[in-house]
Amino acid sequence: GNSVTQMEGPVTLSEEAFLTINCTYTATGYPSLFWYVQYPGEGLQLLLKATKADDKGSNKGFEATYRKETTSFHLEKGSVQVSDSAVYFCALSDPIQGAQKLVFGQGTRLTINP
Amino acid sequence: DAGVTQSPTHLIKTRGQHVTLRCSPISGHKSVSWYQQVLGQGPQFIFQYYEKEERGRGNFPDRFSARQFPNYSSELNVNALLLGDSALYLCASSVGLTGIYYEQYFGPGTRLTVT
Repeated sequence: GNSVTQMEGPVTLSEEAFLTINCTYTATGYPSLFWYVQYPGEGLQLLLKATKADDKGSNKGFEATYRKETTSFHLEKGSVQVSDSAVYFCALSDPIQGAQKLVFGQGTRLTINP
Repeated sequence: DAGVTQSPTHLIKTRGQHVTLRCSPISGHKSVSWYQQVLGQGPQFIFQYYEKEERGRGNFPDRFSARQFPNYSSELNVNALLLGDSALYLCASSVGLTGIYYEQYFGPGTRLTVT
């Protein structure tokens, strides 16, 4: 079945550092790809998405490019802030019975120190 | 506009009991999905409902059931609770099922603890 693999965490960086969180996927067809963020005690928020190969999703300084040739969707940010501390989930859309479900990676906990 | 709401926020149950979790989607959204998030893991798909019909089911036992009401709100029911059912249960709503209508918006979740 379709699956998502994220880099193991936790990841700890200093403020203003460059961030990369790796995500690779296995899928039949061409799924849409997503990054969700979960702040402590909260549900998931959609951070960005890409719906086809070579698309770049971006939001709040975060970017990810849908790479079909490497089946990857790595999350990057040029200069992280303390407020970016959260758990980040990579996900893909997986068709089921005429609908779709989200398949998530295991999550990467990010901590930014001032 | 209100986002996805879930109730209760927290719940403690004993093994063998039954639990009902509730979800209200964003106004205008007709699809509701349920996910289970065990501590330290990513969410796992349980059900999706659209226009009051089940459209998909994940790899969960029959102890898990759900329904969607005419106002598109939804209930998740779990019978004969096990310790392993302890998790954050997330509800997500979307306008529809595919394409640009598929973008899912998540609620804050219900934290279920089974003792």
